[in-house]
Amino acid sequence: GAVVSQHPSWVICKSGTSVKIECRSLDFQATTMFWYRQFPKQSLMLMATSNEGSKATYEQGVEKDKFLINHASLTLSTLTVTSAHPEDSSFYICSARPDRPLFGNTIYFGEGSWLTVV
Amino acid sequence: QKEVEQDPGPLSVPEGAIVSLNCTYSNSAFQYFMWYRQYSRKGPELLMYTYSSGNKEDGRFTAQVDKSSKYISLFIRDSQPSDSATYLCAMTTMNTGFQKLVFGTGTRLLVSP
Repeated sequence: GAVVSQHPSWVICKSGTSVKIECRSLDFQATTMFWYRQFPKQSLMLMATSNEGSKATYEQGVEKDKFLINHASLTLSTLTVTSAHPEDSSFYICSARPDRPLFGNTIYFGEGSWLTVV
Repeated sequence: QKEVEQDPGPLSVPEGAIVSLNCTYSNSAFQYFMWYRQYSRKGPELLMYTYSSGNKEDGRFTAQVDKSSKYISLFIRDSQPSDSATYLCAMTTMNTGFQKLVFGTGTRLLVSP
């Protein structure tokens, strides 16, 4: 099946530093990718929609200056958590929808990235 | 009220049991329904997807959608310990190009040998 790769799988950083998470679609092109965060025992909450070649669309309540999204190519989107604080510690997951649907309108998820801010 | 409601569980069953997982929703515009399985500390894995009302079967899994009741179900037959995971329902509308998913909270399933 289609693969979406995230890197790093887990990262620990100091409070006040910035962390970049990459999301790559390995065998398809995706003009649109999505970033979610998931707190323990809670559901996935959409943070933003990443659009190749244009600005990301952020969900209500998500600080765009804190969570910088860059979608530089049709296979890569990055999420940068700037000036990270302990409350930003969470599981960040990306997803991508193939520009040419592989199986219906399926959206594929990455393996997720665990961020711990100390 | 959340757009999608799902019992968080945990739901504990013995191996071989039939499992029923359910979600209710409030937005009648939802047309595309999915079930994802998520193992601990991993990203969600798509299990089933259905469009509009009806049933869909894939191996031991059956997805059922009742739009009139705004109710969807996932049935797992002959459950195995390897089925132990959190099951998330997700749904979306044509208005978003079937891209913007709204998730339930997930139901944690435990299948004991």
